[in-house]
Amino acid sequence: AQSVTQLDSQVPVFEEAPVELRCNYSSSVSVYLFWYVQYPNQGLQLLLKYLSGSTLVESINGFEAEFNKSQTSFHLRKPSVHISDTAEYFCAVSDGGGGAQKLVFGQGTRLTINP
Amino acid sequence: DVKVTQSSRYLVKRTGEKVFLECVQDMDHENMFWYRQDPGLGLRLIYFSYDVKMKEKGDIPEGYSVSREKKERFSLILESASTNQTSMYLCASSFIGWTEAFFGQGTRLTVV
Repeated sequence: AQSVTQLDSQVPVFEEAPVELRCNYSSSVSVYLFWYVQYPNQGLQLLLKYLSGSTLVESINGFEAEFNKSQTSFHLRKPSVHISDTAEYFCAVSDGGGGAQKLVFGQGTRLTINP
Repeated sequence: DVKVTQSSRYLVKRTGEKVFLECVQDMDHENMFWYRQDPGLGLRLIYFSYDVKMKEKGDIPEGYSVSREKKERFSLILESASTNQTSMYLCASSFIGWTEAFFGQGTRLTVV
């Protein structure tokens, strides 16, 4: 079975500092990879996704993630964070096949931005 | 915009009660999912459905059942609520062969 490991449960950073949230997955077959964000008292929203093609994917709010097949990683980065980025971030993976594809989530990383 | 609506944001139930959590989506999605979210454990899949009246167990189905009588509605049932089922419950939906799942706002259930 697939599994996802987010290596840090909490990441505190100062505003305008860079940040990296780490994610490793177990599957060696074709996969889709996702980062979801959960702001306080809200549901999950898709931040970005890797399906195929370019290994570097970007979101509209400055985050990016790079798919590294050899290291089975999909780390999330932002060069300069803002207070509004305070949230919990979840990495997820699904099979690249058809049908009812299940998302398997990591444990989550709580990003706290300090002024 | 895709909308996934969960009927309650907060629920408090007593041990032993039968509890229904309702989820409705408006995008004609084939797939629907129920997840449970607990601190430090991320989201864990309880059940999912890929068609009306079809269901499959996820990773933690014990103590839960589901019902999908209409395409847009997916219900999670706690047959006899217990305190260890106190949690945040998230519903999601997607198309077959999807590239994105859409989530509801969540239901925070407390069993006392």
